[in-house]
Amino acid sequence: DAGVIQSPRHEVTEMGQEVTLRCKPISGHDYLFWYRQTMMRGLELLIYFNNNVPIDDSGMPEDRFSAKMPNASFSTLKIQPSEPRDSAVYFCATTKQGIEQFFGPGTRLTVL
Amino acid sequence: GQNIDQPTEMTATEGAIVQINCTYQTSGFNGLFWYQQHAGEAPTFLSYNVLDGLEEKGRFSSFLSRSKGYSYLLLKELQMKDSASYLCAVRDPSYNTDKLIFGTGTRLQVFP
Repeated sequence: DAGVIQSPRHEVTEMGQEVTLRCKPISGHDYLFWYRQTMMRGLELLIYFNNNVPIDDSGMPEDRFSAKMPNASFSTLKIQPSEPRDSAVYFCATTKQGIEQFFGPGTRLTVL
Repeated sequence: GQNIDQPTEMTATEGAIVQINCTYQTSGFNGLFWYQQHAGEAPTFLSYNVLDGLEEKGRFSSFLSRSKGYSYLLLKELQMKDSASYLCAVRDPSYNTDKLIFGTGTRLQVFP
């Protein structure tokens, strides 16, 4: 298996622009998590899905952030409009009701 | 709420043993995890403890005391490649799922 796939790996954009991050989970995994990592706050859970249904979005910082999982093979995290404080590494992770979460390589977002 | 504390940085010498501590305060408990994260890479799973005691896996061991809200990760025969951040995470007891709350991580530097 190719593991969790994220795209793009790097994104540089200007403040006010829309940003869309993408994630393809490991086939058969029924949980998908979106995390944000910064030096100051560490790794924070933003939202997670179970069987494509959002279960807990309490970590989504504000209405500018939205996430979807239209099918078992694809999820997006969108920021509109983006702000410099959104600069971080965004990870997608998946698991099959197991112990171990498998993380994707992350998307490094820079908002100028 | 959840509070997870671990030292920010540690240093050690190649071939030595190092212990990374983690304390947590939670309303309940459903498992504690350790992840390793090399600079610029994604976190990878190291260990899982749900019962008190020591779990050994090669050069790495993890210990848990639920009554004390305490865990440690023990790394033996340190190698240069062990230089990384080590993240302690607690499974959120509010949900019977894999939702994890992460500490800010301990950055370990191994010197020759």
